[in-house]
Amino acid sequence: DVVMTQSPLSLPVTLGQPASISCRSSQSLVFSAGITNLNWYQQRPGQSPRRLIYQVSKRDSGVPDRFSGSGSGTDFTLKINRVEAEDVGVYFCMQGTHWPPWTFGQGTKVEIK
Amino acid sequence: EVQLVESGGGLVQPGGSLRLSCAASGFSFSSYSMNWVRQAPGKGLEWVSYIISSGATIYYAESVKGRFTISRDNAKNSLYLQMNNLRAEDTAVYYCARISMDDALDIWGQGTMVTVSS
Repeated sequence: DVVMTQSPLSLPVTLGQPASISCRSSQSLVFSAGITNLNWYQQRPGQSPRRLIYQVSKRDSGVPDRFSGSGSGTDFTLKINRVEAEDVGVYFCMQGTHWPPWTFGQGTKVEIK
Repeated sequence: EVQLVESGGGLVQPGGSLRLSCAASGFSFSSYSMNWVRQAPGKGLEWVSYIISSGATIYYAESVKGRFTISRDNAKNSLYLQMNNLRAEDTAVYYCARISMDDALDIWGQGTMVTVSS
C-alpha cells in the first residue's frame, strides 16, 4: 500500500499570513497516462471532507484561489496564500493512483494563533 | 445539486450488525463507482470498500474483509454497506464518496455515526 506522510501535523497560523502543508508518498503517484492522482481535502470542524485540489494543482469549483497545489512524483505541497478564519480545520492529502486501497495522509490541523 | 446522504448508523453491541445506506441525487448514479470511507473519533480517514458502477467489481480493506458487504441498487440511486460481526474498532463516522472519472473521491456525504459498544 502507498503510505502518505504529511507534515506538519499541527499548523498555527496568523490571520492573513501564508501556510504550507507537505505531503509525501512512499512511491511515485504518476499514472500511466501521465496524470498524477494527488488530491487535497479540507475538513472543517463537524463537517465532512471537501475536495479542494485534484491532480496535484487543479482547483475544484468554488475553491478560493488563495488555495494552490504543487509538486510531482512523491512530493506535494498545499499552500494557502493568506489564511482566513474560515480556513480552520484539518487538511488531508489522498492518493488515487495505486488503488485499492485509496490512502490518506494523517491530516494537518490548521488553527489560528 | 449533487448530493449524497447517509443513514442507518447507531449504537450496536459487539458482534452485532448494521446496514448503512447512501442516497444519491443530482447526478447519474449508475455511471459512477462508489466508496465507503470511515473516520474513527479524532482520527484520520480510512478507505473501507469500493464498488464499480455496475456492481460487478468490489474491493474491501483487509480490516473489514469477510465481515462487511458493499452493494448498490442503481434503480434506487442507492449504495449500501452491510456490517456484520461488528467490533469496537469499527466505531467511526462512515462516509460514502463518489469516485470521479480520474479515480479520486470528489463528492462526500455528511456521514453517519456507528458506535460499537456494550
